[in-house]
Amino acid sequence: GEDVEQSLFLSVREGDSSVINCTYTDSSSTYLYWYKQEPGAGLQLLTYIFSNMDMKQDQRLTVLLNKKDKHLSLRIADTQTGDSAIYFCAERGQTGANNLFFGTGTRLTVIP
Amino acid sequence: GAGVSQSPSNKVTEKGKDVELRCDPISGHTALYWYRQSLGQGLEFLIYFQGNSAPDKSGLPSDRFSAERTGGSVSTLTIQRTQQEDSAVYLCASRPAGRGYEQYFGPGTRLTVT
Repeated sequence: GEDVEQSLFLSVREGDSSVINCTYTDSSSTYLYWYKQEPGAGLQLLTYIFSNMDMKQDQRLTVLLNKKDKHLSLRIADTQTGDSAIYFCAERGQTGANNLFFGTGTRLTVIP
Repeated sequence: GAGVSQSPSNKVTEKGKDVELRCDPISGHTALYWYRQSLGQGLEFLIYFQGNSAPDKSGLPSDRFSAERTGGSVSTLTIQRTQQEDSAVYLCASRPAGRGYEQYFGPGTRLTVT
């Protein structure tokens, strides 16, 4: 079955860039997503990228997709303390798949 | 507008008891999902409802787990004879028709089985 992997922890200093990485195994993935989960809250969709794209930028967020290596990354520029949260990578398999497959989440800690 | 709501926010139960978790999706959303989030693990898909179609139950871990969606809106996830390994955060998400695959999540119910 599908497998999505992320490192569990990342610490960065306020103002620096954060890069959160994700690898997946399903080569038929159609969409890939980044979700943010703040303490005590549900997951919030940050951004997504279609599998035929290799980059998407949205304000401070840049998503890079290397489909050959099945590698997805999320770069947060000028990281702020409010960015501290758990970030989940998720992929939707082939068209018609009912659900998303999520990674374990990366806990980002921003140090003031 | 109102987001996805779930109740209760926390539930502590004794091993062997049954529990019911409730999800109120965003009004008008046709699809509804249940996921389970265990400590240190990603979200595990449990079940999916889409309109009047038969639900996709492929993620339910055992026959102790069941879910219903009444009137195409509110959903209840029931866990019978709870076990300690059922302790997790249970997340509900809903999705509008025709909107790519953007799922909107509720805050979750934290279930602790003692």
